[in-house]
Amino acid sequence: GIQVEQSPPDLILQEGANSTLRCNFSDSVNNLQWFHQNPWGQLINLFYIPSGTKQNGRLSATTVATERYSLLYISSSQTTDSGVYFCAVPRSNDYKLSFGAGTTVTVRA
Amino acid sequence: DAGITQSPRHKVTETGTPVTLRCHQTENHRYMYWYRQDPGHGLRLIHYSYGVKDTDKGEVSDGYSVSRSKTEDFLLTLESATSSQTSVYFCAISESNPGSPYNEQFFGPGTRLTVL
Repeated sequence: GIQVEQSPPDLILQEGANSTLRCNFSDSVNNLQWFHQNPWGQLINLFYIPSGTKQNGRLSATTVATERYSLLYISSSQTTDSGVYFCAVPRSNDYKLSFGAGTTVTVRA
Repeated sequence: DAGITQSPRHKVTETGTPVTLRCHQTENHRYMYWYRQDPGHGLRLIHYSYGVKDTDKGEVSDGYSVSRSKTEDFLLTLESATSSQTSVYFCAISESNPGSPYNEQFFGPGTRLTVL
């Protein structure tokens, strides 16, 4: 099945800093999602981004499908950005979303 | 936010007892999913539904059954709970089939289940 790798596994930021999270996937995909799992465990949809670039406030994402990677940018980080960020791609042969292991982000005041 | 609720949100039960978790959606989406999330394993698909009374197994379906009698409700049943089923369970929905480039899954708030 498709492999999804995220880096870095952990990230500690000072409030106000910028950061980039990366998601590599092993096969061609026709869609990709980024999620934020907050400290209360909720999975929040950030982006649905099969290709190109999208922006939502201080967050933006870019997917280069031909090179099999996606990037999530966090600018001017805030403590509320803390949590685990997952990327997920569908497997071509069934209904499952394959998730990466996540990047744990801790933003310190 | 997608209208997805899960009940109960927390449950503690004993080994051998039956447990049913409910997922309710107000989006009229055709596809519904049950995942479990465990440390070291990420999210794993248990069962999914592609319509009323149409369900199929995911990658970790042993010990679980599902039912979908209405578009809005998807039930997950542990027939005889075991300690290995202690986990956080998430329901998800999508409007399009997963092979579609327009398929985006939305997740419910989760149910934390502890089996003693």
